[in-house]
Amino acid sequence: NAGVTQTPKFQVLKTGQSMTLQCAQDMNHEYMSWYRQDPGMGLRLIHYSVGAGITDQGEVPNGYNVSRSTTEDFPLRLLSAAPSQTSVYFCASRHRGLYEQYFGPGTRLTVT
Amino acid sequence: AQKITQTQPGMFVQEKEAVTLDCTYDTSDPSYGLFWYKQPSSGEMIFLIYQGSYDQQNATEGRYSLNFQKARKSANLVISASQLGDSAMYFCAMREYRDDKIIFGKGTRLHILP
Repeated sequence: NAGVTQTPKFQVLKTGQSMTLQCAQDMNHEYMSWYRQDPGMGLRLIHYSVGAGITDQGEVPNGYNVSRSTTEDFPLRLLSAAPSQTSVYFCASRHRGLYEQYFGPGTRLTVT
Repeated sequence: AQKITQTQPGMFVQEKEAVTLDCTYDTSDPSYGLFWYKQPSSGEMIFLIYQGSYDQQNATEGRYSLNFQKARKSANLVISASQLGDSAMYFCAMREYRDDKIIFGKGTRLHILP
């Protein structure tokens, strides 16, 4: 049981490049979400999903796309990276209806 | 509008003293939940405690308790007998049941002094 896994752990992009941050969980959780963490800003919700095929926007969705084709995976796509997207990204999951949310180890992204 | 407010960016506390970390929230949803997470310097997010809006009693988990004052919309975390290992970033979070998303405050960095 690996819990919530995220790849890569670190990534450096140039402005304008695209990439996908991967998130997977093996706990059969319906609910998955993406957060970004910036100094002094706490964790801000980017997108979330309450089940396969269903996604919704969080607090800071601009510049990011998500899809949820399976229960296990919830990738986050940056279409055209900008320096403002330099951050630590966390994926999280939980059973819908339960409160405890499990976090992945995070991806540190730098956009130059 | 900010829904979770943590007004203490940083706190310094002597070891073995009790600590109260402040959190106020704003919601019109009658059904909601409040959480506290700890983030040590290693970066992982550790769930500490949960309080539901209809729970009659304040939540407790070991040395952690949540001082829930519904009318004041506050959900302060109390750590009794602080330890050096409690030095970390602490986040308050809220889940509103109507849209089922969890949002976080900006956090409080706690430093425990020996």
